Amino acid sequence: GAVVSQHPSWVICKSGTSVKIECRSLDFQATTMFWYRQFPKQSLMLMATSNEGSKATYEQGVEKDKFLINHASLTLSTLTVTSAHPEDSSFYICSARTGGSEQFFGPGTRLTVL
Amino acid sequence: AQSVTQPDIHITVSEGASLELRCNYSYGATPYLFWYVQSPGQGLQLLLKYFSGDTLVQGIKGFEAEFKRSQSSFNLRKPSVHWSDAAEYFCAVGENQGGKLIFGQGTELSVKP
Repeated sequence: GAVVSQHPSWVICKSGTSVKIECRSLDFQATTMFWYRQFPKQSLMLMATSNEGSKATYEQGVEKDKFLINHASLTLSTLTVTSAHPEDSSFYICSARTGGSEQFFGPGTRLTVL
Repeated sequence: AQSVTQPDIHITVSEGASLELRCNYSYGATPYLFWYVQSPGQGLQLLLKYFSGDTLVQGIKGFEAEFKRSQSSFNLRKPSVHWSDAAEYFCAVGENQGGKLIFGQGTELSVKP
């Protein structure tokens, strides 16, 4: 149980285009989802927290107009990187929880912007 | 400020040897502490967690960790390392079981045959 999936697992896009990453809780209803960003050989940095049906709460320094987060259902959250640039290339990881449970992490999405 | 420090960026141990990965935290309230493992290109898998009670906690894959409040530490240990343990290990602290997590920088573990 408690499986979180992400799609795609990797994506390459041209600079200036937008990319959408999906995060799904497969066997539980995720009231809260988190989005993290991880640079090579570095730690995970929390980008935003999203509660189902509410606007996401972004961490300081994260551009909400660039990283659009939607949590429209209890099993799906999406992160859209708008007008992506090479500096947005990173490993994006989501996690999900239900109620007060621990977070369960997805396998991550590798984004490369050319 | 809340923070997690993993002093060792990279550790190499021989297969069968014991392992200890260090983690120190700075947190204003009673911390919820976690250790995660990440294989290359993968997400995070929870090894163990500490919320309260017995300060020595057992996790999966033969790992254990000890919470020492006086030292603000939560070091991860394993008595005998296997080659499959080679991975990146992250210590994290949170305000509750499912809340925001602050991660350490990670420790990369290499295992020599």
